[in-house]
Amino acid sequence: DAKTTQPPSMDCAEGRAANLPCNHSTISGNEYVYWYRQIHSQGPQYIIHGLKNNETNEMASLIITEDRKSSTLILPHATLRDTAVYYCIVRITLQGAQKLVFGQGTRLTINP
Amino acid sequence: GAVVSQHPSWVICKSGTSVKIECRSLDFQATTMFWYRQFPKQSLMLMATSNEGSKATYEQGVEKDKFLINHASLTLSTLTVTSAHPEDSSFYICSAPIPHLPDTQYFGPGTRLTVL
Repeated sequence: DAKTTQPPSMDCAEGRAANLPCNHSTISGNEYVYWYRQIHSQGPQYIIHGLKNNETNEMASLIITEDRKSSTLILPHATLRDTAVYYCIVRITLQGAQKLVFGQGTRLTINP
Repeated sequence: GAVVSQHPSWVICKSGTSVKIECRSLDFQATTMFWYRQFPKQSLMLMATSNEGSKATYEQGVEKDKFLINHASLTLSTLTVTSAHPEDSSFYICSAPIPHLPDTQYFGPGTRLTVL
């Protein structure tokens, strides 16, 4: 699986958009970008994933650059409850369950 | 919606005793589940893959005789920490694949183990 690089921490004001970057310069053509987050003392939560097109769901938007070497997770209107560690994971998608390898992630703090 | 539960949510035990942690998939079946361990201020580390009806697959460096995994049904996997020691104190989290989203997972709420 391709290695990812994320800033260790970020701050964002409540109500503003939180933009979390992830570099994955060694990504291969069949690897997807996944985002999970972990609120303190809870299990991680799936947010979104994509291959090359931008994706949006009820939680967030995922913007993947054209060369796919980086991506940005966007929380459009951050709330205090969005304070968490956000993990960017790049891996291929196969039939059947596959393990996830977590990096250090970005600790996002939403400030009132 | 489908979720994954864990029991207990926290446990304190004496050194040398064994502790069993349950992971259940609610409203969906999971032939595969995953067990992770997380130390304070660190990321999740995959311990093993639990397979229903067959032996678990352990990650390198994880002692299979110390961390016993049983996946006896399509909705239940258990992790038993045998002869627990203080260094086994950690946050243990399980996960199961989301049925309608290939290669994504639901995670349980975690179990905080403290060994005295």
